[in-house]
Amino acid sequence: SSELTQDPAVSVALGQTVRFTCQGDSLRSYYASWYQQKPGQAPVLVIYGENNRPSGIPDRFSGSSSGNTASLTIIGAQAEDEADYYCNSRDSSGDHWVFGGGTKLTVL
Amino acid sequence: QVQLVQSGAEVKKPGASVKVSCKASGYTFTSYSIHWVRQAPGQGLEWMGIINPSGGSTSYAQKFQGRFTMTRDTSTSTVYMEVSSLRSEDTALYYCARDSSGSSWSAFEIWGQGTMVTVSS
Repeated sequence: SSELTQDPAVSVALGQTVRFTCQGDSLRSYYASWYQQKPGQAPVLVIYGENNRPSGIPDRFSGSSSGNTASLTIIGAQAEDEADYYCNSRDSSGDHWVFGGGTKLTVL
Repeated sequence: QVQLVQSGAEVKKPGASVKVSCKASGYTFTSYSIHWVRQAPGQGLEWMGIINPSGGSTSYAQKFQGRFTMTRDTSTSTVYMEVSSLRSEDTALYYCARDSSGSSWSAFEIWGQGTMVTVSS
């Protein structure tokens, strides 16, 4: 399968923990990467590989993986974390890539 | 600093062609592949394809085979995405993104600012 499935929307109270999930067969072979996109802006890489954060990404963002599911967790969500979050991975062939449908995060 | 700078917004008529550029700077152009990603208005991200600037090899998502062509010019460190026979459904933001990959992981670590292509009669 070349699909990655994400929940369309999730909400979290300010300062609480939120987890995003991404499901797909290719995640049994390849790690997901995660992207944050705010309105009118280009996506930004927040997590890649086993659990790696690019420079400048706060340590409240973390990633994990189990079986066919990858997860992105924000511990202590801030107002500025309100955005769309996309997972991405190679597909099962390894030659193409695929994005999940994205999850819209609302911080209450 | 490492950056990808894309060409400006385009407005085209149905049936026309458009060529979007993505100029790399701050790193060795031929050392990293470049992805193209499309985002229709109000929609999610779609992977279109990848080009290796070193040899020019390309791979396209099935949906983007035929009317879409990725090329590169190593003399100017620029990659291009050309779309022919434009349709209204090609109206979207087009992003380029630099690839970093290992055997089991990948990342679109640097993104261009996006180029809006509008197809309208």
